[in-house]
Amino acid sequence: AQKITQTQPGMFVQEKEAVTLDCTYDTSDPSYGLFWYKQPSSGEMIFLIYQGSYDQQNATEGRYSLNFQKARKSANLVISASQLGDSAMYFCAMREGLAQGAQKLVFGQGTRLTINP
Amino acid sequence: KAGVTQTPRYLIKTRGQQVTLSCSPISGHRSVSWYQQTPGQGLQFLFEYFSETQRNKGNFPGRFSGRQFSNSRSEMNVSTLELGDSALYLCASSPTPGQANEKLFFGSGTQLSVL
Repeated sequence: AQKITQTQPGMFVQEKEAVTLDCTYDTSDPSYGLFWYKQPSSGEMIFLIYQGSYDQQNATEGRYSLNFQKARKSANLVISASQLGDSAMYFCAMREGLAQGAQKLVFGQGTRLTINP
Repeated sequence: KAGVTQTPRYLIKTRGQQVTLSCSPISGHRSVSWYQQTPGQGLQFLFEYFSETQRNKGNFPGRFSGRQFSNSRSEMNVSTLELGDSALYLCASSPTPGQANEKLFFGSGTQLSVL
């Protein structure tokens, strides 16, 4: 079964608009972490934001925020006031087994975001 | 502070050959993990090293191996290359493993093409 599902293969958004990238996850582990990474055409994966399973509040990092709905197993990324430089692939990822010190990330298939001027 | 450095950036090999990829983590980082990225399978975990010991291994055949040196630099090796091994290989480092919110810092990857 897919552990991380990103249902939007591609999205097109006008510059300065807000955009929401969807991510749902599947785990029975009570302790887990959720990440969003951005991958521009250069290939490097750039960390954007993190949400822990026990965090009470939604994470925010500048223009990025994470809409965490634990009961629905949803961790959507919201980018406010999009910019041309936001055009890239975006990956949702989950780390399980935190109690065991696991470092492995499981990634979704990604969403290609294109910002139009 | 320099980021994660992977060499070489591009590599072309033929079937049956072997290849070694190198990764230098951020200074002070002791945990290194490797991922394979392909259009069909996406990003898949290969293995993770900490203090020269492999802590976790993904579901890859024994042709894929790796090691970590005392300075935390890591190498991965693929023997008897197959066409399906063509991929972007990403290395990631972090200070220590196991912290819940510890983010992985990735390099730009090595693009391997097997002909």
